[in-house]
Amino acid sequence: GENVGLHLPTLSVQEGDNSIINCAYSNSASDYFIWYKQESGKGPQFIIDIRSNMDKRQGQRVTVLLNKTVKHLSLQIAATQPGDSAVYFCAENIYAGTASKLTFGTGTRLQVTL
Amino acid sequence: DGGITQSPKYLFRKEGQNVTLSCEQNLNHDAMYWYRQDPGQGLRLIYYSQIVNDFQKGDIAEGYSVSREKKESFPLTVTSAQKNPTAFYLCASSIGYGILGEQYFGPGTRLTVT
Repeated sequence: GENVGLHLPTLSVQEGDNSIINCAYSNSASDYFIWYKQESGKGPQFIIDIRSNMDKRQGQRVTVLLNKTVKHLSLQIAATQPGDSAVYFCAENIYAGTASKLTFGTGTRLQVTL
Repeated sequence: DGGITQSPKYLFRKEGQNVTLSCEQNLNHDAMYWYRQDPGQGLRLIYYSQIVNDFQKGDIAEGYSVSREKKESFPLTVTSAQKNPTAFYLCASSIGYGILGEQYFGPGTRLTVT
């Protein structure tokens, strides 16, 4: 039984192409963002993070871009592979005083076709 | 290997019974969290704990209870008062509450109540 993926937007990408997954966040006070990957029946795995004082951060085959003006976050995956097929979701952190909260988006399913 | 374990992976219960989900971490993290995941929705926070012997309600705490008697353990009890308990439950931990950084997730427990 699947716990994620139902009624989610889906991005289909051919193997070897680049993927771009987008996320709109809600709060202009958010100071930290994370992208997670969740494979079928598993817990989310950390991919990459970025703080609000940065516009771009690169990892291995992945890049996160942050546009604070329009409250938009994107995840770029280079040379997409079949193993990249999963649900991807962003999370934003709001920290104010003693309260810190990570809010998660609903996710986008990435399907890699051969 | 350091990480978070959740058991069991699948759990079946009859309506009206309480059930306890296990979560253990050996990452020496202070903060631990319980989330619920339903199809098409983002993760929703049930309870969190900043430190041993302390825990706070999240966004959807009604019908759930937790304890944090040891640093490495944060069990979640789904009580009969929870009106819609069937879901995928995820436990997570982080270095410290309010410290910017990723939350590490366990593999999840799928609870089905009939």
